[in-house]
Amino acid sequence: QVQLQQWGAGLLKPSATLSLTCAVYGGSFSGYYWSWIRQSPGKGLEWIGEVNDSGNCNYSPSLKSRITILVDTSKNQFSLKLTSMTAADSALYYCARRAWQSQGWYFDYWGQGVLVTVSS
Amino acid sequence: DIVLTQSPDFQSVTLRERVTITCRASQSIGTNLHWFQQKTHQSPKLLVKFASQSFSGVPSRFTGSGSGTHFTLTINSLEAEDAAIYYCHQSHSLPLTFGGGTKVEI
Repeated sequence: QVQLQQWGAGLLKPSATLSLTCAVYGGSFSGYYWSWIRQSPGKGLEWIGEVNDSGNCNYSPSLKSRITILVDTSKNQFSLKLTSMTAADSALYYCARRAWQSQGWYFDYWGQGVLVTVSS
Repeated sequence: DIVLTQSPDFQSVTLRERVTITCRASQSIGTNLHWFQQKTHQSPKLLVKFASQSFSGVPSRFTGSGSGTHFTLTINSLEAEDAAIYYCHQSHSLPLTFGGGTKVEI
């Protein structure tokens, strides 16, 4: 059974950098896209970006200037860094896997989520 | 960006009732539309992929249909455990987007 386990600091001050990591257990790391998604009361579910095992990334245009998503295939982990955090970035952050079938890509497994709050 | 509009926002239903949730896309997305269920304090779980394909382990009462810009998720004979928020999601083009959600209350 595939499991995604994520962790990172939950309380940040304004202008700080968010750093989250997601580890993948119980399945192959290759052949998938590994995504970050956040959820807030005001914006609902928002896709942040993704990386594959080759390090190829896709980012949300609205966050692109502040995002870095990296992959560590030796540990089956991927990470998110989001700079210049503000209160508007407070949200529940999820990692998720996108799998491929003939019709295209789809999310099949999600992490448990990490609540991130930005406050002075 | 492709905007997904769900309706209704909220639905109060009784057990064993049939529930239909609609998702409309701002442009044609073929069948690149997926449905998720999110229960309180849980992460979203995939119910239906590519408009009508049931995901492994999902009860048969959850069915999806549609293509282009109009999609529906139907829950036949609602059970108590189906109380949740339901989201549609498009994978037709980047950036990936989600609908605003439909809360189903029993």
